[in-house]
This record gives sequence, C-alpha cells and structure tokens, in this order.
Amino acid sequence: DQQVKQNSPSLSVQEGRISILNCDYTNSMFDYFLWYKKYPAEGPTFLISISSIKDKNEDGRFTVFLNKSAKHLSLHIVPSQPGDSAVYFCAARDSGGGADGLTFGKGTHLIIQP
Amino acid sequence: KAGVTQTPRYLIKTRGQQVTLSCSPISGHRSVSWYQQTPGQGLQFLFEYFSETQRNKGNFPGRFSGRQFSNSRSEMNVSTLELGDSALYLCASSATSGRIEQFFGPGTRLTVL
Repeated sequence: DQQVKQNSPSLSVQEGRISILNCDYTNSMFDYFLWYKKYPAEGPTFLISISSIKDKNEDGRFTVFLNKSAKHLSLHIVPSQPGDSAVYFCAARDSGGGADGLTFGKGTHLIIQP
Repeated sequence: KAGVTQTPRYLIKTRGQQVTLSCSPISGHRSVSWYQQTPGQGLQFLFEYFSETQRNKGNFPGRFSGRQFSNSRSEMNVSTLELGDSALYLCASSATSGRIEQFFGPGTRLTVL
C-alpha cells in the first residue's frame, strides 16, 4: 500500500506560469514532508520541507502548502522557469517512529514549455 | 563542501553474483541512508547507518546488507543477485540520525543480467 501518492505522473506548464504539484498521504503519523527535484543521471536534490505544525513554508519561488485534515500537500513554483523541468518527488517521515527513513512518492515529471 | 560521492557509477553483474557499492557522505555528516529506485516502485528506503550502527531498516530481504566505517563512509552489499535487483541505488547523507534533510549522491546504476 502506497503511503505517499503523487497521482500525476507528468505535468506540462508554460514558462512564467505557476506550477502546482500535488501529493497525498495516508499515514497520519507523518510529521515532516519534503520535496526533492531530480534531473536524469543525478541524485535527488532537496528543495523545501514543512513540519506538520505549519501549513505553509516559502523559499524563494517555491512554496509548500500542507492540509493535514485532507492529508494533502502541494508544491507551488512561481514563476516556472525552463530549469525547473525535472522529476519532483514528495517524501514524508514519521520522526517519532523513525523506523522507515523517508517514504517517497513515485514522482511527477514537470515539463516547462517555452 | 564536496557532495555525496558514490562508486562505481555503473555496474553490470550476472544473476547469482554479489556486489558491493560504496558511498562517501558529505564531510562532517555522520548519517548515511541507502535507497533503491526502480521504475515500478519508485524510491524505497533500504537502511540507515549512524556511528557505524544500523539505525533503521526498510522492507528488503536479508540479501541486502550494509555497514558504515569510522570515517562515516558506507558500503552496501547485495548477495545472490536477482534480475529484479536492477535499479539505481542512491545514498543520502545527513548531519545526524533523524535529521530530516538528506543530501543525495548521484547513484550507482546496477544492471543484473
């Protein structure tokens, strides 16, 4: 059973517009959520994280929103740039249990159109 | 600071063989985690080492093992390779065990024939 789901395998957005990547989770014990970006032939790069005690965290063009009641988080990229084209992974951690490292979604391939 | 390094970058083995992958964390980082990435299953947690001790383990068979040395470098071993072990193996380091942000290396692409 997938505990972290990214239901859109791919997303195409025009340069300069907003990109919204979504992620759902089922484990209510998750208390930290992270987004990673991955280019081909490279390891994932940490982008931004959010603790479950917050509902928003912002870092430059990247903002993550967390809706605990809906067990949903989203990553907003504004404005989208060509270099943002990559696979984005949502990840979650139960820091109290600590047993399972990070649990990742299967990723969304974001394509920024010129 | 240099990033996480993994060697080798590419490896081809045959079924039944064993393989050892190496990971050097970011200088000063003491926690190393290993992940397996496959197209069907995505990124899955294998295990985490901190101060030469395995702290956490994912749901993988005993053929997958690892260790960490006093300099925080880590190795992962897979014995009796199966075709399904073909994957990208990623190593991630963090400053301490349980630190949320993990920094990934480029991975080792293992192909089992």
